[in-house]
Amino acid sequence: AQKVTQAQTEISVVEKEDVTLDCVYETRDTTYYLFWYKQPPSGELVFLIRRNSFDEQNEISGRYSWNFQKSTSSFNFTITASQVVDSAVYFCALSDVNQAGTALIFGKGTTLSVSS
Amino acid sequence: GAGVSQSPSNKVTEKGKDVELRCDPISGHTALYWYRQSLGQGLEFLIYFQGNSAPDKSGLPSDRFSAERTGGSVSTLTIQRTQQEDSAVYLCASSYPSSGGAATQYFGPGTRLLVL
Repeated sequence: AQKVTQAQTEISVVEKEDVTLDCVYETRDTTYYLFWYKQPPSGELVFLIRRNSFDEQNEISGRYSWNFQKSTSSFNFTITASQVVDSAVYFCALSDVNQAGTALIFGKGTTLSVSS
Repeated sequence: GAGVSQSPSNKVTEKGKDVELRCDPISGHTALYWYRQSLGQGLEFLIYFQGNSAPDKSGLPSDRFSAERTGGSVSTLTIQRTQQEDSAVYLCASSYPSSGGAATQYFGPGTRLLVL
């Protein structure tokens, strides 16, 4: 069965600290896609990144970086020099192309609180 | 350009009443998804439409839930005889057609449903 686990329910940091959000997934497929979404207090899910299973290169976008490790089935997300505006719930998701088209299977989310 | 829009943004109804939730996808997006976000269950897939193909209804929790998509664009999710456990945020997402692999889904702001 496909599953996404975000073991950290809540994380609190002080501004300028680095923080890593963990994501572990399970799938039997060799082709799959992983995503991260941000849900700020306003409620709308904002797309951050999409990664396919054949691309294990790490990705950096400004203060955000992602580490994809197929050997450990993990797709972790790091925010460098966190800011108050980073406070949100972050979701990791898996797309199993054999299930309902490309429906997303979400983890339970990690609530990040950044204080000033 | 305009994102995914949903209406109403909030809906309060009495147990046993029917409700209709509307989603207007991003122009040009042929795939449309409905998800439900509740405290106990997290984000769950409900139904998926791709172009003019028959929808995949595998995520609908009961036969009280139905959805249609008219003209390949706007979609309506209907919940009949609402129950208190239907209280949740209903999210709609859309994506471009994908020639291979899972396309990125863009989410609307959601409809917050409260069943009294």
